Amino acid sequence: GQQLNQSPQSMFIQEGEDVSMNCTSSSIFNTWLWYKQDPGEGPVLLIALYKAGELTSNGRLTAQFGITRKDSFLNISASIPSDVGIYFCAGQLWGSNYKLTFGKGTLLTVNP
Amino acid sequence: ETGVTQTPRHLVMGMTNKKSLKCEQHLGHNAMYWYKQSAKKPLELMFVYNFKEQTENNSVPSRFSPECPNSSHLFLHLHTLQPEDSALYLCASSQKTGGANTGELFFGEGSRLTVL
Repeated sequence: GQQLNQSPQSMFIQEGEDVSMNCTSSSIFNTWLWYKQDPGEGPVLLIALYKAGELTSNGRLTAQFGITRKDSFLNISASIPSDVGIYFCAGQLWGSNYKLTFGKGTLLTVNP
Repeated sequence: ETGVTQTPRHLVMGMTNKKSLKCEQHLGHNAMYWYKQSAKKPLELMFVYNFKEQTENNSVPSRFSPECPNSSHLFLHLHTLQPEDSALYLCASSQKTGGANTGELFFGEGSRLTVL
């Protein structure tokens, strides 16, 4: 089956630093999505990308859909303590029953 | 508040018990999902319902039995589970448009299941 390689697995940063994480796949996807999961909660959609090369921002978050359709990255600028959580990438291939394939997640810790 | 409510939040059961997880969505969506989240593993899709009809069963053991009486409610009936079934079970909903299940899922807070 399709697999997503998400890296890094975990990050420890200081408040105010910028963060970058990415996902790669051996298969192409038509849609890339980024979710965040706070402790004790379900994942929440941050950004959805629908077009190769697309660059989309949501506040301090910026995500890009790789031109090859096999990768995506998420950047967080000027991190704050509430950015703590697990960030998941997910890819969707149209026609495969539109199922999502999730990465294993990046655990972000922000030290105040 | 995501508009998707799951109960119970925590459940401990023995391997011979029968229990059910409940999910309700208040978003008017027409697709609902069950996912399993285990430590250090990607989210695993279990079941998909579109307009109350099951459209996906991702090779889930029969000890997990879903039920979708209407487009707002989804149940996961559990019986004779194994300790390795202990995990966070997440319900999600989405709006199916143009024949496609959008990847824009709205998740509930999850039901933490422990099987003894």
